[in-house]
Amino acid sequence: KQEVTQIPAALSVPEGENLVLNCSFTDSAIYNLQWFRQDPGKGLTSLLLIQSSQREQTSGRLNASLDKSSGRSTLYIAASQPGDSATYLCAVSDTGFQKLVFGTGTRLLVSP
Amino acid sequence: NAGVTQTPKFQVLKTGQSMTLQCAQDMNHNSMYWYRQDPGMGLRLIYYSASEGTTDKGEVPNGYNVSRLNKREFSLRLESAAPSQTSVYFCASRPGQSGKNIQYFGAGTRLSVL
Repeated sequence: KQEVTQIPAALSVPEGENLVLNCSFTDSAIYNLQWFRQDPGKGLTSLLLIQSSQREQTSGRLNASLDKSSGRSTLYIAASQPGDSATYLCAVSDTGFQKLVFGTGTRLLVSP
Repeated sequence: NAGVTQTPKFQVLKTGQSMTLQCAQDMNHNSMYWYRQDPGMGLRLIYYSASEGTTDKGEVPNGYNVSRLNKREFSLRLESAAPSQTSVYFCASRPGQSGKNIQYFGAGTRLSVL
């Protein structure tokens, strides 16, 4: 059974810092990996999707990498801003039906 | 665009009561999903519908039933609610089977079973 772990569970940084969020998964036979953002009391917003054949994806200040063989992904956030404060979730899918298995998330607080 | 709309936003039930959580999307998406989110456990898939007319079980289907009423709507029914079903429920949809398609989530239904 696939298990997804995210470390750290919580992170607090001052504005302007570059930071890395980690995600690991136990079964490397994944179809794709996604990073989501969740604001308190809200639904999830997809940030980046990486296909199993890809090594990384970039969107603005966000860069996600994937090392399928070692079962790891990282989300790099450059020049963090208070508006980046949210919970970041990693999820993997083993098929095109995209039945996602989620990690428990990293709660990020960026202070002005 | 409304995107994915879930109703109700909040609900309190007594043990044994039944209710249906409604989900509708206006993006002409083929696939729809129901998840539950519990503290410390992340989101877990309850049921999904790959296309209109099909449904299949996810990781935690016990105690739930679903109906894909049409392409727009995917409902989740609790026949006899239990305290263990206290959770936040999220509906999601995506265009189709391409692995490049992301899921779009609703704002959630917060359910308490007393």
